[in-house]
Amino acid sequence: QVQLVESGGGVVQPGGSLRLSCAASGFTFSSYDMHWVRQAPGKGLEWVAFIRYDGSNKYYVDSVKGRFTISRDNSKSTLLLQMNSLRVEDTAVYYCANVYGYYFEYWGQGTLVTVSS
Amino acid sequence: QTVVTQEPSFSVSPGGTVTLTCGLSSGSVSTSHYPSWYQQTPGQAPRTLIYSTNTRSSGVPDRFSGSILGNKAALTITGAQADDESDYYCVLYMGSGIWVFGGGTKLTVL
Repeated sequence: QVQLVESGGGVVQPGGSLRLSCAASGFTFSSYDMHWVRQAPGKGLEWVAFIRYDGSNKYYVDSVKGRFTISRDNSKSTLLLQMNSLRVEDTAVYYCANVYGYYFEYWGQGTLVTVSS
Repeated sequence: QTVVTQEPSFSVSPGGTVTLTCGLSSGSVSTSHYPSWYQQTPGQAPRTLIYSTNTRSSGVPDRFSGSILGNKAALTITGAQADDESDYYCVLYMGSGIWVFGGGTKLTVL
């Protein structure tokens, strides 16, 4: 069955960096577009970034442009999110999800990123 | 800045029917926004309920249905059950590779 497993979360100081990974299995990862979505503690879901199946196009929510980079390694069925210049407001659970049509089909369980001094 | 609007909270009696909506701060929601709906309970990942306006995801009971009502997308739960008590989120595709989630609706069944 489809599995998406995020990792790489943790505690980081403001201005620091983290790299999140999402290991995919149970489907042909290289054929699917992918998303990152986040959820701050006690808040709603926020779409963060999208990448085409072949990495050819990437899109970001305005608040992370220039700081976050989404990428993928299709040979390893892995989605990545490089997060630089982290801010307190980036504190959230980060989920990866695959795209089917225009919706978020399967979701991982999330990884918590805490930005705090 | 596009804002997707949802009712912050809603209450329904067991066995009752409730319709949650998903609108835009400016303009109307259409099928071209490919509205989809997700259910989330505390501490859990979201679960896909409805996509492309009105298509139920695999395994979703038929008491959940999606539609366009007026200028909004809508999620209707018919015959609400206790375990439907959750947060519900809609998301709209805004074009150019951009998606926007609504703020979510906390549904209470009592």
